[in-house]
Amino acid sequence: AQSVTQLGSHVSVSEGALVLLRCNYSSSVPPYLFWYVQYPNQGLQLLLKYTTGATLVKGINGFEAEFKKSETSFHLTKPSAHMSDAAEYFCAVNRGSTLGRLYFGRGTQLTVWP
Amino acid sequence: DVKVTQSSRYLVKRTGEKVFLECVQDMDHENMFWYRQDPGLGLRLIYFSYDVKMKEKGDIPEGYSVSREKKERFSLILESASTNQTSMYLCASSLAPPLNTEAFFGQGTRLTVV
Repeated sequence: AQSVTQLGSHVSVSEGALVLLRCNYSSSVPPYLFWYVQYPNQGLQLLLKYTTGATLVKGINGFEAEFKKSETSFHLTKPSAHMSDAAEYFCAVNRGSTLGRLYFGRGTQLTVWP
Repeated sequence: DVKVTQSSRYLVKRTGEKVFLECVQDMDHENMFWYRQDPGLGLRLIYFSYDVKMKEKGDIPEGYSVSREKKERFSLILESASTNQTSMYLCASSLAPPLNTEAFFGQGTRLTVV
């Protein structure tokens, strides 16, 4: 069963506009949730993570995400897009079992127009 | 900083060759992972290891094997490379549960099989 669903394989925004990348997960146990960013021909870099505690999580480069248990969502936002935000973004979940494996969504390619 | 190093950024191999992809991490992590990344499919887990000489199949192990003789090193082996194994390969490491949270990634190896 799909653990992580990212809605929209491509998202385009204008520079200065709000960025919203959607992620829904399925997990029978309280999950750990992550957003990673990948720039062209690079590995994945952690943007932010939710483990326990405050449901609004702030990450690097002005990004934040909110864990909503009732909606099983962990959407990524940034108030004002910058050209340098153009990259691929991956949502991931650690379901708290299976030796710490992460399950990834299929990714969302963010394009930022000048 | 955690460092995960993959031995090659780019590789070109011929069909039928035996191919070794090497990954080394310097943070004494118990878990190590090999993922394959293809456009539109996200990251798919090939194999992971939770201890020296221990391994578990991921979602797409066919055509691959792995070796973990030392804690810091995890090798992915393509016994007889085929063109459908042309892809980006990503290595990652993490602590073991319950301490594990995020995985740390290498820069990736882009393998082309001709």
